[in-house]
Amino acid sequence: KAGVTQTPRYLIKTRGQQVTLSCSPISGHRSVSWYQQTPGQGLQFLFEYFSETQRNKGNFPGRFSGRQFSNSRSEMNVSTLELGDSALYLCASRFRTSGASTDTQYFGPGTRLTVL
Amino acid sequence: GNSVTQMEGPVTLSEEAFLTINCTYTATGYPSLFWYVQYPGEGLQLLLKATKADDKGSNKGFEATYRKETTSFHLEKGSVQVSDSAVYFCALTLLNNNDMRFGAGTRLTVKP
Repeated sequence: KAGVTQTPRYLIKTRGQQVTLSCSPISGHRSVSWYQQTPGQGLQFLFEYFSETQRNKGNFPGRFSGRQFSNSRSEMNVSTLELGDSALYLCASRFRTSGASTDTQYFGPGTRLTVL
Repeated sequence: GNSVTQMEGPVTLSEEAFLTINCTYTATGYPSLFWYVQYPGEGLQLLLKATKADDKGSNKGFEATYRKETTSFHLEKGSVQVSDSAVYFCALTLLNNNDMRFGAGTRLTVKP
């Protein structure tokens, strides 16, 4: 079974631009979560999507948003980029239905975003 | 709130040495506990997990036991290899709450 895939793997943008990152979960997984990893703050939870709806949200500004499509693929968007948004953005998927879920998340390789 | 505290790194060991990376947690409720490993330039890979007290997770020679009385989940390996050099993250999550909390990570370097 294929793992979680993320595209692109590397991205360079300038301040003020916006960016969209993509994540395809493991087949059969309907929950997708996004995390930001930086040397200073470590790994921080951004949000989770399930059945095309945001279910949980971390403590990030509204510039960070996402969506999920009917095939469970997810995109994350960051608008008005700041230098501090430079990070590795990780996507994780897990099995989840409306009545049950597993706690194990499987991570993709990440998208490294550099903001100049 | 829920949080994880793990041993500060970096940790440098010689090949075949014994490894311990300490991890303690604070949680409201009954968490599941995980160790993830991150190799250079890659995402996180699940190393092992435990979902209830006294469970022992194991994989690739690594082990960790869920200790509810000490709220700990220390990672151990009897004989490390150069290929084990990576960053190790302890993490917890509560079922149906996808806000996984991670420790700061411990960088392990194994020298031949």
